[in-house]
This record gives sequence, C-alpha cells and structure tokens, in this order.
Amino acid sequence: SQQGEEDPQALSIQEGENATMNCSYKTSINNLQWYRQNSGRGLVHLILIRSNEREKHSGRLRVTLDTSKKSSSLLITASRAADTASYFCATGIIQGAQKLVFGQGTRLTINP
Amino acid sequence: ETGVTQSPTHLIKTRGQQVTLRCSSQSGHNTVSWYQQALGQGPQFIFQYYREEENGRGNFPPRFSGLQFPNYSSELNVNALELDDSALYLCASSSGLGELFFGEGSRLTVL
Repeated sequence: SQQGEEDPQALSIQEGENATMNCSYKTSINNLQWYRQNSGRGLVHLILIRSNEREKHSGRLRVTLDTSKKSSSLLITASRAADTASYFCATGIIQGAQKLVFGQGTRLTINP
Repeated sequence: ETGVTQSPTHLIKTRGQQVTLRCSSQSGHNTVSWYQQALGQGPQFIFQYYREEENGRGNFPPRFSGLQFPNYSSELNVNALELDDSALYLCASSSGLGELFFGEGSRLTVL
C-alpha cells in the first residue's frame, strides 16, 4: 500500500520557474526522502530529511518537513529542461528492516 | 551512476514460469532491498536482506523469495509467474544510514 501521496500528480512549468511538489503521509516516520526517476529507469536519491529536522537544502533543492501535519514539500528553484522527470517522496520506517514507503509520484515537465 | 548493477535489464516470461533477477550492490554496502514498480505507480517494498538474512518483508506472497550472498550481491526469485507480476524490479543497496542507491532495474513482462 502507498503511504505517501504526492500533489500534484503532474506539473508542467516553463524553464527558469520554480517547481513545488507536496507529499503527505499517514504514520510516524524515521525520515523522509525524495527521489527522482527518469522514465522507466532507476531512482536517484535527492535528499533525506530526518523526523527532527524542519528544512534542508541541497543545491537548487529545498525540502521542508512538518511532522505535525505529516507533510513535506520539495522546491526546485530555477528549473531546467533536464529536471524533467518523476519525483517521489518516500517515508523511511524502521520495522526490523528500514523500508521506504513510496508515493505515486509527481510527473514534472519543464518546457524550454 | 550508483554502483548498483542489475541483470537482466529486460526479460519476457509466460504465466507459470519462474524468474531469477540478480543484483550487485555498491561496494561497502551490506544491505540490499528489492522493490516492485508497476507502470505509473511508486515502488513497493518486497523485502530486505542484511548479512545474508531476510530482515523485513512487504506484502508479497511466498512465491517471491530472495537470497543474499557473502559478497552482499542478491537474487530475487519469483515462482509461478502471474500477469500482474509484470513490472520494473528495482534493487537498492545501502549502508544502513537511510539513503538507498538504486540500480537501473529489470523490466519483467509476463505474457
């Protein structure tokens, strides 16, 4: 079952604009991670934010986490055509193993 | 380039057959996880291996099984294939710090 739900499911913007994707989840988490996937290929880790952190930056990426609302957002600033991909949030849960529970993803298209 | 390699990249099987997918983890990583990603969906956790033992399993039937070898490489076996098993199977290795490193996946089509 999918714990995370991304919003929007699809987003199309012009190159240079900022892209914001949101993620909501249902249960307590150890961490929340964002991954990127170019069509049909493997996932690439973008950023991890721990449950006791509220904001994290990595290059053009900014992630926020609100554990009281069980939500997170990913902001990509100054978007580029190469940012076109699907973006997934994944909640890290430790139940014996550390497993990631993924949402269904946001399909981001950057128009030149 | 994550250093995680999977084989084969594509394969076609028929219902009832068995399949074995292979994964070589990134150097230094002792934990391997397998995920199934159906078309248009997010990946779903199948199971995880740590030091050759399964230490966590998702909601998948017993016909999905796995192995981890002393060099930390891994196999996913699926018996009695069903049409719904058609998916991208992703292997990910980690060192236990949270971040997963994924391979490019094996795309299985069941006819």
